[in-house]
Amino acid sequence: GENVEQHPSTLSVQEGDSAVIKCTYSDSASNYFPWYKQELGKRPQLIIDIRSNVGEKKDQRIAVTLNKTAKHFSLHITETQPEDSAVYFCAASNNNNDMRFGAGTRLTVKP
Amino acid sequence: DAGVTQSPTHLIKTRGQQVTLRCSPISGHKSVSWYQQVLGQGPQFIFQYYEKEERGRGNFPDRFSARQFPNYSSELNVNALLLGDSALYLCASSLAGYGGYTFGSGTRLTVV
Repeated sequence: GENVEQHPSTLSVQEGDSAVIKCTYSDSASNYFPWYKQELGKRPQLIIDIRSNVGEKKDQRIAVTLNKTAKHFSLHITETQPEDSAVYFCAASNNNNDMRFGAGTRLTVKP
Repeated sequence: DAGVTQSPTHLIKTRGQQVTLRCSPISGHKSVSWYQQVLGQGPQFIFQYYEKEERGRGNFPDRFSARQFPNYSSELNVNALLLGDSALYLCASSLAGYGGYTFGSGTRLTVV
């Protein structure tokens, strides 16, 4: 099955700086790559996703890039704010089936 | 519209017992997936069901089983509970083939 690796495990940035989280996947058949944000004690929530026919997608301060050849994708958060502090998970699946998650990145944004 | 609902929210069981967790998907979603999340780790895939058929199974022992009902709700059963089964069990529903998963709030299982 798919194996997703995520780095770094923890990330601390100053408010206003950018944050980048990187993931790699193993299954070349994977074609859907969502990112989830999980605040303490809450459920994971979808924040952005990308499909394999697209190289980059942006939504306000967040963007995701995908390199199919290298089998890696990244989450970029610009102008970080304290409310961005949470655990972020990347995931990969084939047509929304059998979705596998990375181990997570704990992002801390210092005011 | 109700989101994904899971019950119960919390559960304490003794080693060796059996537990059943329940999930109701978002209306119109026919796919339900179950995940185990141990504190500090990412969700680990247990099962996916679509139209009452098992579509995928993760690397969990046979003590774990699930099923999906005609109304697309689902149950996860765990037999012969071990201390290591203590975790947050998340259910997620999705449309077939696209759109990402929507998670429920989970069931926190503690095995003592």
